[in-house]
Amino acid sequence: AQSVTQLDSHVSVSEGTPVLLRCNYSSSYSPSLFWYVQHPNKGLQLLLKYTSAATLVKGINGFEAEFKKSETSFHLTKPSAHMSDAAEYFCVVSDNLDKIIFGKGTRLHILP
Amino acid sequence: EPEVTQTPSHQVTQMGQEVILRCVPISNHLYFYWYRQILGQKVEFLVSFYNNEISEKSEIFDDQFSVERPDGSNFTLKIRSTKLEDSAMYFCASRGPINDYEQYFGPGTRLTVT
Repeated sequence: AQSVTQLDSHVSVSEGTPVLLRCNYSSSYSPSLFWYVQHPNKGLQLLLKYTSAATLVKGINGFEAEFKKSETSFHLTKPSAHMSDAAEYFCVVSDNLDKIIFGKGTRLHILP
Repeated sequence: EPEVTQTPSHQVTQMGQEVILRCVPISNHLYFYWYRQILGQKVEFLVSFYNNEISEKSEIFDDQFSVERPDGSNFTLKIRSTKLEDSAMYFCASRGPINDYEQYFGPGTRLTVT
């Protein structure tokens, strides 16, 4: 069975400082992993995806994530936070393409 | 850029009433999904649909729920007799060819059952 744990429900960082949103997963097979972002009153937008190619994945808006099989982690990072990054972020795991499992989400707050 | 659209954006209904939530997936996509997000909780998978039939469904997707692709463009979710606990944001998603891993999500329909 697959599952995903987002370790922090809220993260606050100052504008211009690094962002780290943590995600651990459990999967029976080689999973596909995704990060989605949800801005207030908006739909879900794909930030990046890992599908068994390079372990360091670059996404949109300067975000990237590293797949670490030994740690079963897929943490999302960004070197320098921007005010527009304030949103809810979801880590997602999939063993097969027909069913994806969302984490509970991490709300990112950006302090001026 | 093509996008998934959903109507209505907000639906208010009384308990026991039937509701139909509508989605227009991206036109050349083959796989379709419904998810829900109860306020303050995580996004939950409901059902996946391919080749005019359900390919997978969750425990949430009981006999009160049904999906349909009535005309080759719309993809609908019907709840036959709504309950208070059906109040949630419902997201539709679609996916392209078999090797395309990305699901494209619509903006959601907020369903409020009173």
